[in-house]
Amino acid sequence: RKEVEQDPGPFNVPEGATVAFNCTYSNSASQSFFWYRQDCRKEPKLLMSVYSSGNEDGRFTAQLNRASQYISLLIRDSKLSDSATYLCVVNREAAGNKLTFGGGTRVLVKP
Amino acid sequence: DADVTQTPRNRITKTGKRIMLECSQTKGHDRMYWYRQDPGLGLRLIYYSFDVKDINKGEISDGYSVSRQAQAKFSLSLESAIPNQTALYFCATTRNNEQFFGPGTRLTVL
Repeated sequence: RKEVEQDPGPFNVPEGATVAFNCTYSNSASQSFFWYRQDCRKEPKLLMSVYSSGNEDGRFTAQLNRASQYISLLIRDSKLSDSATYLCVVNREAAGNKLTFGGGTRVLVKP
Repeated sequence: DADVTQTPRNRITKTGKRIMLECSQTKGHDRMYWYRQDPGLGLRLIYYSFDVKDINKGEISDGYSVSRQAQAKFSLSLESAIPNQTALYFCATTRNNEQFFGPGTRLTVL
């Protein structure tokens, strides 16, 4: 079983709609969680960190559920420019603070 | 100017050839990483370095070697390239758990 798993998608989303997707992690000792965005053939870039209390950054909301070992990302009022692959990333200090990446969820926002 | 640069950006080579991918950073970070990305598999860690004298294997280090020539430079070598090393390679630095990636090197081994 992969340490970090994501639905690869694609999630086809009408412009203006809301889309949400999850990421599950297998190691309960995981401590830090992030969402990265990757555009086609480009490098990943940090979208947002995920905090235990949940956090919001504009149209993006991230949640962490430690009991069920998953994190989620919700995008409201989707824009065409939101089309990308979203990578779930998990960090464990016991693993030397190395980040473990999920395979990514592809989102396609269409007019 | 980009903070993390990689050269070359694209490379096509033949089985058995030695290849070096180079990475430079101007962010002043101590920690540097090499990943490869394959479709559907996410980024997998090849090697990482926490400072010039520290080199560590990642989850898929077989067939690769690295050199940390200076704080700002971290190179990845394929001593004898094979076709299943065809992938997109990323160098990254990190501070406070945020990773900053280079633009990637697309390597094709024929």
